[in-house]
Amino acid sequence: ETGVTQSPTHLIKTRGQQVTLRCSSQSGHNTVSWYQQALGQGPQFIFQYYREEENGRGNFPPRFSGLQFPNYSSELNVNALELDDSALYLCASRPTGGTEAFFGQGTRLTVV
Amino acid sequence: AQSVTQLGSHVSVSEGALVLLRCNYSSSVPPYLFWYVQYPNQGLQLLLKYTSAATLVKGINGFEAEFKKSETSFHLTKPSAHMSDAAEYFCAVGWRGNEKLTFGTGTRLTIIP
Repeated sequence: ETGVTQSPTHLIKTRGQQVTLRCSSQSGHNTVSWYQQALGQGPQFIFQYYREEENGRGNFPPRFSGLQFPNYSSELNVNALELDDSALYLCASRPTGGTEAFFGQGTRLTVV
Repeated sequence: AQSVTQLGSHVSVSEGALVLLRCNYSSSVPPYLFWYVQYPNQGLQLLLKYTSAATLVKGINGFEAEFKKSETSFHLTKPSAHMSDAAEYFCAVGWRGNEKLTFGTGTRLTIIP
């Protein structure tokens, strides 16, 4: 039990649609990161937020965007879905000054 | 830039045998190193981490790893494999002051009864 909860657990969308994935972190975890894990691959860093501002981004296009809220929840939004966006999306949170990232169970997104 | 190489996408060991999962890293700054385990349809659970203290790190479930700077390695070991160890294992590198983790491609561990 990591204290990080993601919703929904599974989702099916059609190519071209938009999707919002949600994450709820522990109190005091001011940093949240999102990762994409394609089938058979390791997680790839999408971006991270610290105190509601994006402060790091991986090699993902602008149609991947996010929000972080004061209540330690966050969202990952993906516009204009493509088939290659099918993956497990993981949220990870970290307390200020901490070295360990706590991962949620992930959201499995399938784009058809 | 940082990168992680996990040698062997699949490793099979007999129950009770030694588990050795290999990880080599590349980092331009002193690294933080992590091993995570992932069970089917679940997220990542931290097994152990190295953050510049003792080079031999002990983790949960009897796993340990040794940081060897000269070899740029952080191999994961367990003296005696258990059936419940069957899972996917990921090595990751980060560094102080940066939250981003760079993961390897993973090693699937199978335990033979």
